Amino acid sequence: GAVVSQHPSWVICKSGTSVKIECRSLDFQATTMFWYRQFPKQSLMLMATSNEGSKATYEQGVEKDKFLINHASLTLSTLTVTSAHPEDSSFYICSGTGIMNTEAFFGQGTRLTVV
Amino acid sequence: RKEVEQDPGPFNVPEGATVAFNCTYSNSASQSFFWYRQDCRKEPKLLMSVYSSGNEDGRFTAQLNRASQYISLLIRDSKLSDSATYLCVVNRGGGFKTIFGAGTRLFVKA
Repeated sequence: GAVVSQHPSWVICKSGTSVKIECRSLDFQATTMFWYRQFPKQSLMLMATSNEGSKATYEQGVEKDKFLINHASLTLSTLTVTSAHPEDSSFYICSGTGIMNTEAFFGQGTRLTVV
Repeated sequence: RKEVEQDPGPFNVPEGATVAFNCTYSNSASQSFFWYRQDCRKEPKLLMSVYSSGNEDGRFTAQLNRASQYISLLIRDSKLSDSATYLCVVNRGGGFKTIFGAGTRLFVKA
């Protein structure tokens, strides 16, 4: 299947700093990228949907000014957690899909720990 | 009510057992349905799509009932390697905006 490369796979940062997570589609053009987070023992929760070249659409309860999403090209989408706090510690994962795809392909996930 | 609801887990079964997972969804406009498998601390992996006619892939059988808004997954002859969390996934339509169920944890024991 198609590959989405996500990095970093894990990151520890200090409270108040910003963290950028990248997702690259390696062998297809990801026209749409979804960003999820997963707290321990909980389900994957959709945070936002981004279409290449457009502003992201955020799910209810997700702060768009805190979680900045950029999808400027068909192969790269980024999520920046700004002014991170310990409660933002979570597993963040992206999935991408293209026009010709019949499924969404997941990145490997990023485990963020804010101390 | 959650948009996608699954059986609460965990399921603890012996090797060789048959186990069934159920899932219901609330959005009648949902267009496509999947079962994903997620191993601990890993990304979800597509297990199989679910079609109205029902579909089978080896030991796995998926069923969809649109009228009841119900999806199921049957695993026959369970293996130790089947131990994982199984996620019911529903696509709202248009660009694969996928909504995940909370997942059902399966433990297969020798």
